[in-house]
This record gives sequence, C-alpha cells and structure tokens, in this order.
Amino acid sequence: SQKIEQNSEALNIQEGKTATLTCNYTNYSPAYLQWYRQDPGRGPVFLLLIRENEKEKRKERLKVTFDTTLKQSLFHITASQPADSATYLCALPPYGGSQGNLIFGKGTKLSVKP
Amino acid sequence: ETGVTQTPRHLVMGMTNKKSLKCEQHLGHNAMYWYKQSAKKPLELMFVYNFKEQTENNSVPSRFSPECPNSSHLFLHLHTLQPEDSALYLCASSQDRADTQYFGPGTRLTVL
Repeated sequence: SQKIEQNSEALNIQEGKTATLTCNYTNYSPAYLQWYRQDPGRGPVFLLLIRENEKEKRKERLKVTFDTTLKQSLFHITASQPADSATYLCALPPYGGSQGNLIFGKGTKLSVKP
Repeated sequence: ETGVTQTPRHLVMGMTNKKSLKCEQHLGHNAMYWYKQSAKKPLELMFVYNFKEQTENNSVPSRFSPECPNSSHLFLHLHTLQPEDSALYLCASSQDRADTQYFGPGTRLTVL
C-alpha cells in the first residue's frame, strides 16, 4: 500500500531564514500532492496543490516542488516569520484515484524563533 | 472561515453520559469525514460518508456512532466513553473523495 513520510517531526529555524519541509511517498505515482497547515487545537487548512506535471508552484512566500522521480515534495517558506510556526501536513490521493480518501502524513512541526 | 462548522467547540462529559457532536458544511460537498486527533498525535480517520452513505469505518469502537441524515450534516453520537477518548474531534468535507478537504474548527472533548 502507499506510504507517506514526513521525515522530520520538528524543525526549528531562525526568523528570516527559509524553512524547507520534506514529504516522501512510496509504492505509487500520485496525480497530485497537497500541503496543509494546522495550528494547535484547530483543523488543518489547505495551502497548495501541485500536480504531477508541475515541477514547482508558488503562493506568496510559499513554494512547493514535486519530483516524481525521487517521489518527493519539498515545501519552502521564505523569509520565515514567527507567525509561520505551525504543523505542516502533506496529503496524497489514494492509489486508484477517486475510489479512496486523501491520505495525510503525520506532519512536521515548524517553530520559527524571533 | 472554511464553510464547515462544528458544535460544540468544547465538551466535558462523564463516562456514563450520552452526547452528540454536530458538523455542518455549507460548501455543497458530497463527502464528509470524522477524524480524531489526540494530543501531539497525527490525524486518525474514523468515518467517511459519501453521498450520505458510510464508506469507511476504521475499526472505531461502537461507543462512537456516526449519523449522516443529509449531505450537509454529520453527527457523531457518543456514549459510555473512556478517558482515553479525550481528544480533538475534527469534521471535514470535500467535493468528492480524494479531493481537497475543508476542516471545521474541531470539538475539544474531555472524558472524565
């Protein structure tokens, strides 16, 4: 079955630096990949979707890459701010497309220190 | 505001109580979900409804009973819960299964 790994449980960086989070997957080739942000005690919020034919996608200070050869997505936050501190989740569609549910990774907790 | 509302936001109940959590989505979505998230743990998918039909039950104990009367509303009925059931319960909806999910704010449940 497909497997998602977010390699770091936690990432601590200094304000102003670029945060880079990793999402790896195995055993299939998803048509797209999503990233969500979750603040403590709240539900995840959708940030970005990148499709398999897109190498890179940007939204303000966020940049997502999708390397289907490495089976990896990188999520970058440039000029990070303390307000970016949260847990970031990647999510993939199930093997077989619409016949299953979105699968979430365990998340990486990002802490940006002033 | 994601278009998914949950009530109550906080709930404290004894092990012998019966209570219900409510979720409502105003997005016209076809799929609705219940997740459990214990402290510092990842999301655990509990139930999935697609076009009002339950399509998934991830080995959830029978003390949790879902109900989906229509495509906009989802309930989670609780009875004889255990203290280890204390967690954040999140509702989500999506246009179809495997699509982007929109989450409600969650219900923080404490079982005494």
